[in-house]
Amino acid sequence: GAVVSQHPSRVICKSGTSVKIECRSLDFQATTMFWYRQFPKKSLMLMATSNEGSKATYEQGVEKDKFLINHASLTLSTLTVTSAHPEDSSFYICSARWGLAGGPREQFFGPGTRLTVL
Amino acid sequence: DQQVKQNSPSLSVQEGRISILNCDYTNSMFDYFLWYKKYPAEGPTFLISISSIKDKNEDGRFTVFLNKSAKHLSLHIVPSQPGDSAVYFCAARPLYGGATNKLIFGTGTLLAVQP
Repeated sequence: GAVVSQHPSRVICKSGTSVKIECRSLDFQATTMFWYRQFPKKSLMLMATSNEGSKATYEQGVEKDKFLINHASLTLSTLTVTSAHPEDSSFYICSARWGLAGGPREQFFGPGTRLTVL
Repeated sequence: DQQVKQNSPSLSVQEGRISILNCDYTNSMFDYFLWYKKYPAEGPTFLISISSIKDKNEDGRFTVFLNKSAKHLSLHIVPSQPGDSAVYFCAARPLYGGATNKLIFGTGTLLAVQP
């Protein structure tokens, strides 16, 4: 149980276009999903916390207009990188946390999405 | 301000020996600690966790030790296997924050288990 999927796994786009990444919890309800970014040989950097049915909470330094997050259901959150530039190229990872009382406290991570902006 | 630190960026161990990965934290309000394992181009997978009310948690070959007074935790893997080669992240959660408690990750340690 506790499987999180991401789609697509890899995407290559031209500079200036927008890219949408989906994160789904396949077998549990996730009231909270998190979006991370990982630079090469660096730690996971939390970008934002996504709460179902409400606005996402962004970490300091993360542009909310650049990285649009939508958490429309208990099993789906999306991250849209708008007007992508080469510096947005990175590995984006989502995680989901069990939303029910008594559920596990750890986050379950998706497999990640490699974004390359040309 | 790195609240969770893994001072060893890499570690090399012989197969069959013990691997010890270390993690230090600065925030005394952390109450739950986790270890994740990550292969390249994949998301982290949960390995083992420990609550601040315990000082040891064991799961098969993996044992996590917590020393609250030193604000230090360690992950022991014994015996180490080549398939354990990956990046290991420790993470911590603060006591307060409700259901949206975010994890604070360390910088990771690359473990290489030599056959």
